[in-house]
Amino acid sequence: EVQLLESGGGLVRPAGSLRLSCAASGFTFSDYAMSWVRQAPGKGLEWVSWDARISGSGGRTDYADSVKGRFTTARDNANGMLYLQMNNLRAEDTAVYYCAKGGRPGPEINIWIDTWGQGTLVTVSS
Amino acid sequence: DIVMTQSTDSLAVSLGERTTIHCRSSQSVFHSSNNKNYLAWYQQKPGQPPKLLIYWASTREFGVPDRFTGSGSGTDFTLTISSLQAEDVAVYYCQQYFSLPQTFGPGTKIEIK
Repeated sequence: EVQLLESGGGLVRPAGSLRLSCAASGFTFSDYAMSWVRQAPGKGLEWVSWDARISGSGGRTDYADSVKGRFTTARDNANGMLYLQMNNLRAEDTAVYYCAKGGRPGPEINIWIDTWGQGTLVTVSS
Repeated sequence: DIVMTQSTDSLAVSLGERTTIHCRSSQSVFHSSNNKNYLAWYQQKPGQPPKLLIYWASTREFGVPDRFTGSGSGTDFTLTISSLQAEDVAVYYCQQYFSLPQTFGPGTKIEIK
């Protein structure tokens, strides 16, 4: 069974930093592009990033304009881990952050999401 | 950016009734190289993460009941639930993955009448 388990959320002050982690299991992690998607309380879904640096491929990363230059994704293909380093956090970054798996193997990021984690809540407040 | 709109914020539907959710993209998400529409549908129940229902606009994800059907092409898409069940109460989102940034519709909430 495919599973994604996020951790690392919490309360952080504006301008602070936080690192989210996502532990993946049940599939060959190194074959799939991985994404972060967030959902502000009571709001809709917002794509944050793709990390397509799969094994055997140069791959790429991409970010929403709202987080570009502040958030960085990383992955450990050997251990099935995805990370989101969030710096210079703002109140509008408050959201549940979901780790999500691309719908088919390969480095392309024009793909759907077929599996979502349970999410981890990030609250940015003084 | 491609803007996704869903014409209805919420719908109240009787059990067993058919219901249709509409989604429109601000530009075509059809790719002529593979004749596919880069459009997905997700279901989100309260307190849960989203769940994939449909991709390529009409391909049902494995395990999704066949009462869920996706259709449409270009800029106009629909998700039809042929016979609403109590467990279908949720918010439904469309998403385009044709170009970055990937964007979602605002969601349509389905409730029981």
